[in-house]
Amino acid sequence: AQTVTQSQPEMSVQEAETVTLSCTYDTSESDYYLFWYKQPPSRQMILVIRQEAYKQQNATENRFSVNFQKAAKSFSLKISDSQLGDAAMYFCAYRGIQGAQKLVFGQGTRLTINP
Amino acid sequence: ETGVTQTPRHLVMGMTNKKSLKCEQHLGHNAMYWYKQSAKKPLELMFVYSLEERVENNSVPSRFSPECPNSSHLFLHLHTLQPEDSALYLCASSQVTSSGSRSYNEQFFGPGTRLTVL
Repeated sequence: AQTVTQSQPEMSVQEAETVTLSCTYDTSESDYYLFWYKQPPSRQMILVIRQEAYKQQNATENRFSVNFQKAAKSFSLKISDSQLGDAAMYFCAYRGIQGAQKLVFGQGTRLTINP
Repeated sequence: ETGVTQTPRHLVMGMTNKKSLKCEQHLGHNAMYWYKQSAKKPLELMFVYSLEERVENNSVPSRFSPECPNSSHLFLHLHTLQPEDSALYLCASSQVTSSGSRSYNEQFFGPGTRLTVL
């Protein structure tokens, strides 16, 4: 079974600085998708960024980028120029290609932005 | 209404009560999901419905009973719950494409129902 591990329960960063959230996963599949979701205090989970395993190029969405290391099974999220609105729980998630499309989530990292 | 909506947003119930959680998606998706989010635990997938057929039941106790009457609506019927069932219940939807067709099929989440079982 696939597992996702986020080893940082909490992180904090100064506004306008850069922060990196870690995620590792375990799978025997060679093709899959990886996601970072954000859950602000309002609780609505929203997708931040996504990556296909077969793509070597790291995904980027504005201030958000990932460092995808397939061999190491690592998928970290970098947030540049942190803003107060970035404060939230961040979840790393894995989804295989086949089957019921289920997402496997990590435990989450609570990110605090210090003004 | 847009996206995925859930009602009620908060629910307090006794262990002998029967209640239902409702989820509605306005995205034209063909798959819907129930997740349980407990404190300090990863989100746990409970049920998956694809094309209104249950395709996954993740060893959920029978006191939780899902219902998917059509592709836009998903219910979670609750009866004789335990205090440890108190959690945030999240609904999600996605568009599942046919096998062999690559797609992120990303899931869109509702705001959740905060359930407290007394």
